[in-house]
Amino acid sequence: QVQLVESGGGVVQPGRSLTLSCAASGFTFSTYAMHWVRQAPGKGLQWVAVMWSDGVNKDYADSVKGRFTISRDNSKSTVYLQMNSLRPEDTAVYYCARDGVVVSGVPTDCWGQGTLVTVSS
Amino acid sequence: EIMMTQSPATLSVSPGERATLSCRASQRVSNNLAWYQQKPGQAPRLLIYGASTRATGIPARFSGSGSGTEFTLTISGLQSEDFAVYYCQQYNNWPRYTFGQGTKLEIK
Repeated sequence: QVQLVESGGGVVQPGRSLTLSCAASGFTFSTYAMHWVRQAPGKGLQWVAVMWSDGVNKDYADSVKGRFTISRDNSKSTVYLQMNSLRPEDTAVYYCARDGVVVSGVPTDCWGQGTLVTVSS
Repeated sequence: EIMMTQSPATLSVSPGERATLSCRASQRVSNNLAWYQQKPGQAPRLLIYGASTRATGIPARFSGSGSGTEFTLTISGLQSEDFAVYYCQQYNNWPRYTFGQGTKLEIK
């Protein structure tokens, strides 16, 4: 079955870095764009970043542009989010999600369980 | 950026009754509108896309309507498992998605 599993979350001090991973299985990973979406404690969903299936094109929310980098390894069916210069306001559960708009017209139809990132001194 | 506004913030409805949730876009998004359900401690689950198409496995009591800037999610015959937070999402500005702030559906 289609599955996404995030890892790499934890507690980190402000200004430090952290890299999240999302391992995919059960579908042809290289066909789909992949997103990172975050949710601060008790808050709503915020789109963070996306990487096209081609592994080249990417885009970011203004709030993380220049600090976060999304990448993917299609041979490992994994998407990454490198987060630098972390701030307390980056504290959130980070979800990866599959995007099927180009493949089937369906937006983010599969989400991982999320990984919690806490930025605190 | 396309802003999405949901109303009400909280909706209290009795089991068995109908719930109507609204979502408004700051500019036209055609029918590129999705709805998600999220329960505590869980990831969002896609319910509706294309404004009115149910995702795989979603019961018929969930229905979506609207186009342009005004959208509605209707849940008929509310069951206990339907009480959750619901988010709308525009994907007209693909792939830069934006979400509404959510509507909490609670038991009356």
